[in-house]
Amino acid sequence: ETGVTQTPRHLVMGMTNKKSLKCEQHLGHNAMYWYKQSAKKPLELMFVYNFKEQTENNSVPSRFSPECPNSSHLFLHLHTLQPEDSALYLCASSQSGGTSGWDTQYFGPGTRLTVL
Amino acid sequence: QKEVEQNSGPLSVPEGAIASLNCTYSDRGSQSFFWYRQYSGKSPELIMSIYSNGDKEDGRFTAQLNKASQYVSLLIRDSQPSDSATYLCAVTFSGSARQLTFGSGTQLTVLP
Repeated sequence: ETGVTQTPRHLVMGMTNKKSLKCEQHLGHNAMYWYKQSAKKPLELMFVYNFKEQTENNSVPSRFSPECPNSSHLFLHLHTLQPEDSALYLCASSQSGGTSGWDTQYFGPGTRLTVL
Repeated sequence: QKEVEQNSGPLSVPEGAIASLNCTYSDRGSQSFFWYRQYSGKSPELIMSIYSNGDKEDGRFTAQLNKASQYVSLLIRDSQPSDSATYLCAVTFSGSARQLTFGSGTQLTVLP
């Protein structure tokens, strides 16, 4: 595997279900991100982890719960979601302190989530 | 509020023409700027990054940055139908090295 991988690629769940999205990066990066992309809206940053520590939480509802056990893996645990949570969920990674001094983020293929 | 603005399009150009995509941002202190390409149903793919005023060229792509006017643009020379996609501008605002703010994207169609 190369780059950033995400599983599953598609997920359909009911509002009472609990599911988890998984992201793995094979780039040796130290920062990982969750984004939400809804139709006709800009990408929305949800969470940022740097060296496994959460550094950003952009007012995301508690029904989304991130977990970062190590610098290569990132999870997004989902429970009691709403239909408006249906979207493409994207994971990204970056290496802080690169030669440019600023992070360049690389995205995984995304998980298309549908909440019924 | 820190914002990134793009014309949503759609922008249509004939094959072989130059496509010009523009982006403005609200924070004068912004330091890093990125262009991503996103095909329908796919994830964003990095095309260019630019940090200094002026032009940066990579193959058929040229990014132009003007910090005084707070805009960044992407030129695509010799446009191909395979360039048809949504182009996302992203900016790292001052004081937040890891937080990219994205524009809503410009949809480009290159007509054969």
